Amino acid sequence: KQEVTQIPAALSVPEGENLVLNCSFTDSAIYNLQWFRQDPGKGLTSLLLIQSSQREQTSGRLNASLDKSSGRSTLYIAASQPGDSATYLCAVKGGTNAGKSTFGDGTTLTVKP
Amino acid sequence: GAGVSQSPRYKVAKRGQDVALRCDPISGHVSLFWYQQALGQGPEFLTYFQNEAQLDKSGLPSDRFFAERPEGSVSTLKIQRTQQEDSAVYLCASSVGQAETQYFGPGTRLLVL
Repeated sequence: KQEVTQIPAALSVPEGENLVLNCSFTDSAIYNLQWFRQDPGKGLTSLLLIQSSQREQTSGRLNASLDKSSGRSTLYIAASQPGDSATYLCAVKGGTNAGKSTFGDGTTLTVKP
Repeated sequence: GAGVSQSPRYKVAKRGQDVALRCDPISGHVSLFWYQQALGQGPEFLTYFQNEAQLDKSGLPSDRFFAERPEGSVSTLKIQRTQQEDSAVYLCASSVGQAETQYFGPGTRLLVL
């Protein structure tokens, strides 16, 4: 059974700082990994999708990497802004069941002005 | 274009009542997913559809939960004889294909009293 862990559970940084969020998974036979952000009381917004054959994806100030062999992904946020404050979730889609995603419990990020 | 929509946004039910939650996916999206999210946790997979076919319902917590997508578009998640432990946010997502980017709706917040 796939298990996804996100560390730390919460993170507080001053505006402008670069930061890294971590996601680890137990079964390396994955289809893809997707990073989302969730604002309080809202649904999830897709940030980046990395297919199993890829090593990283970039969008603006965000960069996500994937190391399947070690079961890890990182989300790098450059020059953080108060608007980046949200909960960040990673989801792994299984290799044997491409329909099912397993989520971590997220990292809640607070960026202080 | 329009995103994924869900209705109702909030639902209060008395224990034992039946409820029906609706999801309108993005037009043309073949895959549709249902998740349950408890407070402070990541979404938990319930079930998913490819067109009208329900390919995986392994996450449905009991036989009180039933999902359908009869015409391959709108989906309904039905919960019979609701219990207090069913209180959660129910999220729907759709994607072009089962391994592509998932787009989430705002969720339905269910409270069972």
